[in-house]
Amino acid sequence: NAGVTQTPKFQVLKTGQSMTLQCAQDMNHEYMSWYRQDPGMGLRLIHYSVGAGITDQGEVPNGYNVSRSTTEDFPLRLLSAAPSQTSVYFCASSYRGQRTDTQYFGPGTRLTVL
Amino acid sequence: AQKITQTQPGMFVQEKEAVTLDCTYDTSDPSYGLFWYKQPSSGEMIFLIYQGSYDQQNATEGRYSLNFQKARKSANLVISASQLGDSAMYFCAMRDLTTSGTYKYIFGTGTRLKVLA
Repeated sequence: NAGVTQTPKFQVLKTGQSMTLQCAQDMNHEYMSWYRQDPGMGLRLIHYSVGAGITDQGEVPNGYNVSRSTTEDFPLRLLSAAPSQTSVYFCASSYRGQRTDTQYFGPGTRLTVL
Repeated sequence: AQKITQTQPGMFVQEKEAVTLDCTYDTSDPSYGLFWYKQPSSGEMIFLIYQGSYDQQNATEGRYSLNFQKARKSANLVISASQLGDSAMYFCAMRDLTTSGTYKYIFGTGTRLKVLA
């Protein structure tokens, strides 16, 4: 199993550009989520999904869109990039998102918005 | 509101000694899970240990143990016999119930541990 994969690893955007961060998992996990990590702020939840076709907002959803058309994939879209979105983005998945399930993280995408 | 608090931005420990990383949490849900993750300088997130709110015993995983004090709402990570490879950022996290009946995870701001030779 590849686990949780994320592409790209690094990305530089100009203000106003759009892009999609890709996330895929091959563990048949129902629960997937996106976080951003900023210095001194830990990981903050952007969006999450409890299964194909079901998504919900986390703590910091503004400026980001998600969709979940398959169990395996959970892309994160930046509609119009802003410098405030410069961050490291992590995708994670777990079996059902229930109390005892551990999240497995992808390697992260380091995004810089100029 | 649900919250995870890690009050130690940075810690030092001598190699082979034990160290405790603090974590307190706040939730109104009686059923929750607590996790610790390690993030080395390479950036990946590594799961260390889990404690369920109904678990009667403190969780242990090798050199890691979780000092769970439910009444005080604390879930401190204890690393015994510290090694140089333990130098990393450590995050405490909680899985909590949302208003829509699903679960989401909340993370603390992390503690950076440096093990000294």
